[in-house]
Amino acid sequence: EAGVAQSPRYKIIEKRQSVAFWCNPISGHATLYWYQQILGQGPKLLIQFQNNGVVDDSQLPKDRFSAERLKGVDSTLKIQPAKLEDSAVYLCASSPADEQFFGPGTRLTVL
Amino acid sequence: GQQLNQSPQSMFIQEGEDVSMNCTSSSIFNTWLWYKQDPGEGPVLLIALYKAGELTSNGRLTAQFGITRKDSFLNISASIPSDVGIYFCAGQLVGTYKYIFGTGTRLKVLA
Repeated sequence: EAGVAQSPRYKIIEKRQSVAFWCNPISGHATLYWYQQILGQGPKLLIQFQNNGVVDDSQLPKDRFSAERLKGVDSTLKIQPAKLEDSAVYLCASSPADEQFFGPGTRLTVL
Repeated sequence: GQQLNQSPQSMFIQEGEDVSMNCTSSSIFNTWLWYKQDPGEGPVLLIALYKAGELTSNGRLTAQFGITRKDSFLNISASIPSDVGIYFCAGQLVGTYKYIFGTGTRLKVLA
């Protein structure tokens, strides 16, 4: 069974630029999560989708971050404009119910 | 907000030794997950716990769901060099599919 796919794996941008990340969850998983993981910390939930609806986006900085999951499968996370403090690994996870399975993450560096 | 206290923060052990780490919280959780994360990769699910008091093993790993539903521990027996990495606990908030992650335990094994 294929795992969670993410791209790109690495991205370097200048502050105030825009960036987008893509996630393809495990087939059949209704729930999709985006996490931000700052170096030395545990993952922090940004947004949770159930199919194509948002369940929880309480910790998403909505002035600059946006996410969508059209058709309830793939998802994209966008940052516009990026700040230095956005440098982190962005992890996508999917879940059929109680267990979460993570992708390899996208490491973002904002200069 | 909900927090998970994970300890110890880091451990240096000799190959062959047993390891124990735990997570505690003031919140009650429905499910506990334990992950291992290698550098540059996403967390990999090791063990899932679904009921208070549950004790589950996966090879040399054993984890337990605390009776109070506020804590969990992970034991690794007879450590080997490939056990090196960061271990995270994650607790699922009651009535949701939202998880809170611990701060991680960094394990180093000396051959």
